[in-house]
Amino acid sequence: QVQLVQSGAEVKKPGASVKVSCKASGYTFTSYYMHWVRQAPGQGLEWMAMINPSGSSTSYAQKFQGRVTMTRDTSTSTVYMELSSLRSEDTAVYYCARRGSGKGYGYWGQGTLVTVSS
Amino acid sequence: AIQLTQSPSSLSASVGDRVTITCRASQGISSALAWYQQKPGRAPKLLIYDASSLESGVPSRFSGSGSGTDFTLTISSLQPEDFATYYCQQFNSYPYTFGQGTKLEIK
Repeated sequence: QVQLVQSGAEVKKPGASVKVSCKASGYTFTSYYMHWVRQAPGQGLEWMAMINPSGSSTSYAQKFQGRVTMTRDTSTSTVYMELSSLRSEDTAVYYCARRGSGKGYGYWGQGTLVTVSS
Repeated sequence: AIQLTQSPSSLSASVGDRVTITCRASQGISSALAWYQQKPGRAPKLLIYDASSLESGVPSRFSGSGSGTDFTLTISSLQPEDFATYYCQQFNSYPYTFGQGTKLEIK
């Protein structure tokens, strides 16, 4: 069965960087793009970025351009999302997600809480 | 970026009610739309993909319709476990934007 397992919660200071991992299993890693979505406390869902694990091409929301970097390691079927120059507004739960059989995220990681606080 | 506007933002209803949530796109997106249900502290759960296809394991009281710019999610007879927040998301073009959410509460 498809599983997306994310790394644990992080606490960072403003200006620092955070790198969150998402380890995939139960399918061919290079066959599906991986996406990242975040949710600030009490707020809605926000699409951030995607990576094609096959060729490592990426697409980032303009809001995060220059601050977010997505990479992948095909040997461990893991995708990484790094967000730099953190500010308090980046405090959120970060999810990795993958499409299912159609246009919709049928599979989600459990979420990683990133807290930015001085 | 394509904007999605959901209405209403919140909704009070009773068990057994029929409920409709609307999602309007700022430009045509064909049928590239999904609906999710989210409960507090949980990841979103896919209900509908490709605008009208029911995800496996999702009860048949959930249905989706629409194409182009106007879409609806309908719950035919609300059950206690359906009280949650619902989101639409477009897959027509990056960034894959979400609607702002509709919070469905018990009346």
